[in-house]
Order: sequence, then structure tokens, then C-alpha cells
Amino acid sequence: GQQVMQIPQYQHVQEGEDFTTYCNSSTTLSNIQWYKQRPGGHPVFLIQLVKSGEVKKQKRLTFQFGEAKKNSSLHITATQTTDVGTYFCAGLNTNAGKSTFGDGTTLTVKP
Amino acid sequence: SQTIHQWPATLVQPVGSPLSLECTVEGTSNPNLYWYRQAAGRGLQLLFYSVGIGQISSEVPQNLSASRPQDRQFILSSKKLLLSDSGFYLCAWSRSSYNEQFFGPGTRLTVL
Repeated sequence: GQQVMQIPQYQHVQEGEDFTTYCNSSTTLSNIQWYKQRPGGHPVFLIQLVKSGEVKKQKRLTFQFGEAKKNSSLHITATQTTDVGTYFCAGLNTNAGKSTFGDGTTLTVKP
Repeated sequence: SQTIHQWPATLVQPVGSPLSLECTVEGTSNPNLYWYRQAAGRGLQLLFYSVGIGQISSEVPQNLSASRPQDRQFILSSKKLLLSDSGFYLCAWSRSSYNEQFFGPGTRLTVL
């Protein structure tokens, strides 16, 4: 079945440093979504990418979808303590009829 | 606007006892509905999803079951809980498989 791998599993950064998490799928995706789960909370949708090579920005967050639509990345510039949490990608394979979540990258930020 | 409700927020149950978790969605019709389980510090494991009333797809064989008796109601059940059923149970909805998922607040289940 479809697999979505996400790396790294954990990332510890000093406040102000950049952070990147990568998502790789074993199959070509129709779209990819990114979610953020704060400690003790539930996942919250951040963004969806659909087109090959697409890049979207939300303030300090930059999301990319690979040309082959099999990988994606989330980059945070100058992390802040409010960025702590677990970031999940979810890739949709149309044949599967549902999205598959990666295992997430947990970000901790030292003030 | 749409809202999703889950209850209870926390639950402590003995091994071998039954389970019933309920999820309801307001403000939309014919949503896709999902049940996930998240172990502490781990990812989201899809348990069941439903594209309509009475239509349930099971992702992982286990002692859990799901039902969708009404369009916006999704129920997760077990006849006999195991220790390994402990976790954070999340319900989610989406307009379709192409759209983003909206998660409920979750239920933290501890089986003792």
C-alpha cells in the first residue's frame, strides 16, 4: 500500500534557527496537506498543495511540492517558541481514495 | 460554520470493559468521517473511514468497530477493551477525500 515517510522524527532548534521537515511518498500524489498539532492538542490543517513544483508561503512557513509530486517539504524561517509542535504531512493517492499521514516531525524550540 | 464534537474528553476504563466513543459534525452534510488513534508521541493511525451512512472501511484489523447510524454521527466501539487500546482517539471530517480534514478535540483513553 501507499507509504508516506517523514523525516526527521524529532528536531530541536534554538529560537531563531531555521527548521525543515521532509515528506516522501512511495506513489505519485494528487495533493499533499500539512497539519500542525500543538502539544496536548489536535491536528490543525495548515495548507494544501496540488500542482507539481508548487510553492506556497504563510508568513515564516514555506511549503513546497516536488516536481514529480512524490515529495514535499515545510520550511520555517527563524523559529519562535510558538512553532513548537508536531508537523504532519498527508498525501492523497487518488486510487486509494484517502490520504495517508506521515508519522510527523516533532519540533522543540529553545528560547 | 462547521463544528465537530467528540466526547468524552478523557476516559479511564478497565480491561475487558466495553467502549463507545461518539463524534458528531454540525454545519455540513454527507461528510467523509474518520477515526484515528494516536499513541503517546507517535503518529496518526487511521482506524476507520466512512463516505456515507452505513459505509465503513476498516484499515487495521483489531477489536474495534465503527458505525455511522446517521449522516453526521460516527461511533467507535469495542466489546472488550485491551491494554493496547489506550491512546488518543481523534475523529475528523472532510468534504471529500480531496479536501482537508478537520479534527475534533479527541478522547484520551486509558485502559487499566
